[in-house]
Amino acid sequence: GAGVSQSPSNKVTEKGKDVELRCDPISGHTALYWYRQSLGQGLEFLIYFQGNSAPDKSGLPSDRFSAERTGGSVSTLTIQRTQQEDSAVYLCASSLLRGPSSYEQYFGPGTRLTVT
Amino acid sequence: GDSVTQMEGPVTLSEEAFLTINCTYTATGYPSLFWYVQYPGEGLQLLLKATKADDKGSNKGFEATYRKETTSFHLEKGSVQVSDSAVYFCALSIGGSQGNLIFGKGTKLSVKP
Repeated sequence: GAGVSQSPSNKVTEKGKDVELRCDPISGHTALYWYRQSLGQGLEFLIYFQGNSAPDKSGLPSDRFSAERTGGSVSTLTIQRTQQEDSAVYLCASSLLRGPSSYEQYFGPGTRLTVT
Repeated sequence: GDSVTQMEGPVTLSEEAFLTINCTYTATGYPSLFWYVQYPGEGLQLLLKATKADDKGSNKGFEATYRKETTSFHLEKGSVQVSDSAVYFCALSIGGSQGNLIFGKGTKLSVKP
């Protein structure tokens, strides 16, 4: 079946602009995760959704970052007033929460964000 | 807090050499352990996993054993190929309401023919 998809694949934006990144998880996966991969920081956890609710927002680096998930499926990560340090690859992953493959996360190809 | 430490790279090996990438972890609960691989220009892929102590995960000739006594999950392969060149990430997950993965910094492996 289809894997995790993300759009856009690349995004170049000017400092101070808002951006929205989209994630389509694997159908039936109830858990959805956002991570950020940057040269200096490696892979960092941002936020986790269980269904439409986000029990863990601890990784969001500032209040400029927010995310929502609707219908237990698509998620959008929004970064307001982007800064150059937001430049990174933003990865989305999804997983089941029950069964032998629970917590095994499947990653999308990522969105490469460049803030100029 | 929970964390993963893996050996710094880059690691350069000749084809058919033996590979070990060390990984140790700190966790308050009983984590599941993973190795993910990122081939050049591609996304992260799960390579193998182990969910409890003494479990051995294996895939594509790679193996790792969950050692609770040494809090380790070292990745090994007996004979590497050029196609194994990639960045390898060790990770843990506590699961439940803390379902996120905590990653090590990654180890870049280059295999020369």
